[in-house]
Amino acid sequence: EAQVTQNPRYLITVTGKKLTVTCSQNMNHEYMSWYRQDPGLGLRQIYYSMNVEVTDKGDVPEGYKVSRKEKRNFPLILESPSPNQTSLYFCASSPRQGSGGYTFGSGTRLTVV
Amino acid sequence: SQKIEQNSEALNIQEGKTATLTCNYTNYSPAYLQWYRQDPGRGPVFLLLIRENEKEKRKERLKVTFDTTLKQSLFHITASQPADSATYLCALEISGGYNKLIFGAGTRLAVHP
Repeated sequence: EAQVTQNPRYLITVTGKKLTVTCSQNMNHEYMSWYRQDPGLGLRQIYYSMNVEVTDKGDVPEGYKVSRKEKRNFPLILESPSPNQTSLYFCASSPRQGSGGYTFGSGTRLTVV
Repeated sequence: SQKIEQNSEALNIQEGKTATLTCNYTNYSPAYLQWYRQDPGRGPVFLLLIRENEKEKRKERLKVTFDTTLKQSLFHITASQPADSATYLCALEISGGYNKLIFGAGTRLAVHP
């Protein structure tokens, strides 16, 4: 089944403890992206990657890092999480621009206390 | 500033009627416009994509129009069913050598039996 897999689904952590949210897609898509979703603000792009070893900042990159060493994986790293990073996170992938819709993962609900 | 506006108030309609959702944008020149469905706590699911040179697109009970002069897209669900109840997101895909998908905050649709 074609899909984007995120892990973990839920995570509660403490301020300052480094964490990684994994994202993997099995569709050989070139493009991958991370979004966060907050009530009233909609989905906001954190980082995106056009292909392996090519990443760039989205609209809200502060406090996050990403890497794209392989085509299928695009982990999101929070080096020192803070409470304002409590949010619902989604990873998405797409073959190329205008080719069709993006496929989203099921989401990771992160709480930083 | 650049904005994508969707009606923040929920749309309540009776089963069997046509639901019409609006997406307005300013200061963008999107190459493509997409519509997604999102259920609570789940990732968005792609529904339809329409290109800037297309006026209308249909898929089963769904219809999307795109007016680049008015900077507006309308999303219609005909013969609506309670199972259509969800939040519907409008997203602009911006051209320029990179993939950037920018989302509106969404409109919640409730279809009542």
